[in-house]
Parts: sequence; structure tokens; C-alpha cells
Amino acid sequence: DAGVTQSPTHLIKTRGQQVTLRCSPKSGHDTVSWYQQALGQGPQFIFQYYEEEERQRGNFPDRFSGHQFPNYSSELNVNALLLGDSALYLCASSRTGTGYGYTFGSGTRLTVV
Amino acid sequence: AQKVTQAQTEISVVEKEDVTLDCVYETRDTTYYLFWYKQPPSGELVFLIRRNSFDEQNEISGRYSWNFQKSTSSFNFTITASQVVDSAVYFCALSERFYMIKAAGNKLTFGGGTRVLVKP
Repeated sequence: DAGVTQSPTHLIKTRGQQVTLRCSPKSGHDTVSWYQQALGQGPQFIFQYYEEEERQRGNFPDRFSGHQFPNYSSELNVNALLLGDSALYLCASSRTGTGYGYTFGSGTRLTVV
Repeated sequence: AQKVTQAQTEISVVEKEDVTLDCVYETRDTTYYLFWYKQPPSGELVFLIRRNSFDEQNEISGRYSWNFQKSTSSFNFTITASQVVDSAVYFCALSERFYMIKAAGNKLTFGGGTRVLVKP
């Protein structure tokens, strides 16, 4: 049973560019959450998607947007990249009604130069 | 607003020693969940334990044990007889109750993490 799959694993972008990160949830999970983890810090919640809608959002600017597809997979888009966006982006999936059973992927390491 | 503090940034021990990780949290909610996650160098967050705010019973699961005290808002985690494979960053996290219908759980608020180095 595959866990959470994220792609790509590593990415290098230039300031001002746009980036799209992808996440496939664990089989049976219907909710996807995204977290940003700067080097040496704990993950910070970006947003959560359920039924193809954004349900919760953390303190991130509108440059960060997302999408969830009918197959529950999700994308995280970041526009106008800043050096400070360099981080590990983690995707977590869960299943409605099962009570906080989050499964995390290995993340995408984004470097903005 | 919820907050999680892990005062220890790094702990270094010799194999077979016990390791206790401290976690202090802040929340206004009366119903919440506390978690411990392990993050090895691969980057994936591995779930270790979860407790809800109504259950202060402390338990032992294999080499892991935890001490949950609501009176001091602490949720400490102990690894008994540490092994080299326990070397990782450990995160304490808090999730408040989410009131929306059809929710799959509320966001997690993480502490800054404690790096554990177990030397052979």
C-alpha cells in the first residue's frame, strides 16, 4: 500500500518564477494538507483541501494557492518566488471520520536562487 | 492561538541511555490532540503517538513512553534504551478541535523540534 507520494523530490527555481508541487495521498485518504518547513524549524501549516475545496488556511500570502482533483491528489502553486520560500514542502493526507490519522510524504525540497 | 514549545534544540546521548524530550503547549480549546512525530534524514514525518486532552493516562509502547500533564500543559516523550536508529529530529504537535462538518482533522501546530543524536 503506497503512502503519500510527492513530486518532484528536489527543485531549483529563480526568484520571481512560479512553481507547482504535486501530492498523491495515501490510498483511502480524501484530505490533503500542505506544510512548509524551513531549515531547522518545525513545519508550518499552509492549507488543507477536502472535496476539492480549501477548508483551512494558515498565515501564508495569496502567492500560495492549491488545488485538489477528483482523485484526491493535490497541487501546491507558489507564484513570484522569493528567496524565503526555500524550504521543504510536506504533504499530509488523512481520511474523513477516522480521527487525525495524518500520513506525511517525504517532501519536496525547493531552493530559490 | 495555539503554540508548541520545545526548549531543547539538541540532545546527545550514548546508546542504551534514556532520552526525555520536553514539550509545552498553549491552547484555548478544552478539546485538543497532542502528537509526537519523528523526522529522519529522509524528511518524512513518522507518526509516533497521539493523545487527546481527556486522556491523561500515561502509557508505554515498546521503548516509547509519554507523560501528559494538563496542569502544566506538558507532553513529554521518553525513549528508553536508545539506539543509533533513534537519531532524528523529534517534533511535538498540537491540533485543536475542528468544528466544521466533514472535517478530516484540524491543522497541526508544530514545535521547533529537538534533534536527538545517539552515539554508539
